[in-house]
Amino acid sequence: TQLLEQSPQFLSIQEGENLTVYCNSSSVFSSLQWYRQEPGEGPVLLVTVVTGGEVKKLKRLTFQFGDARKDSSLHITAAQPGDTGLYLCAGAEVSNYQLIWGAGTKLIIKP
Amino acid sequence: EAGVAQSPRYKIIEKRQSVAFWCNPISGHATLYWYQQILGQGPKLLIQFQNNGVVDDSQLPKDRFSAERLKGVDSTLKIQPAKLEDSAVYLCASSLDLGAGVGSGYTFGSGTRLTVV
Repeated sequence: TQLLEQSPQFLSIQEGENLTVYCNSSSVFSSLQWYRQEPGEGPVLLVTVVTGGEVKKLKRLTFQFGDARKDSSLHITAAQPGDTGLYLCAGAEVSNYQLIWGAGTKLIIKP
Repeated sequence: EAGVAQSPRYKIIEKRQSVAFWCNPISGHATLYWYQQILGQGPKLLIQFQNNGVVDDSQLPKDRFSAERLKGVDSTLKIQPAKLEDSAVYLCASSLDLGAGVGSGYTFGSGTRLTVV
């Protein structure tokens, strides 16, 4: 069974600071997605990375897919209170594209 | 484009009672998923439909959970009888096709928060 481990599980920082969230596995994925989930809502897709070594930027968020397609990171620059939420990574299995989900990183940005 | 609709938003029931959740996916989305999300955890896939056929129900507790997607559009998920450990958010998601992990991803509804007391 493929597993995706996210770290840290919980992060609370001040507005304006930078942070990085990690998503790691021993298995190779065909692609990896990052979602953000706010309380009382379903996850919302932020980005899909497909190619090993790929870097995608979404305003202050930078996503990177590892060269071996086993891990990914999400870096937020100058975090804002609006970034608060649960960040989930999900890897697509090579064989059938089924998504394997991490447990999430709960991020709180204090004003 | 309208999103994925789910109802009810909240439900409180006693253990051993039954409950049903409803989902209306995005128009044209062939694939529909039901997930269970326990507080503090990532979503766990319960069942996946492609049109009105089941693709994966390997993690569905079939002794108490059932789901159907008549006519390949709306879907219902039922729990009978409910247990305390079923307390969770039940999320419905849809995607254009099975390969959503590569492309456009899943669109989730807001979920139903179930509390079993």
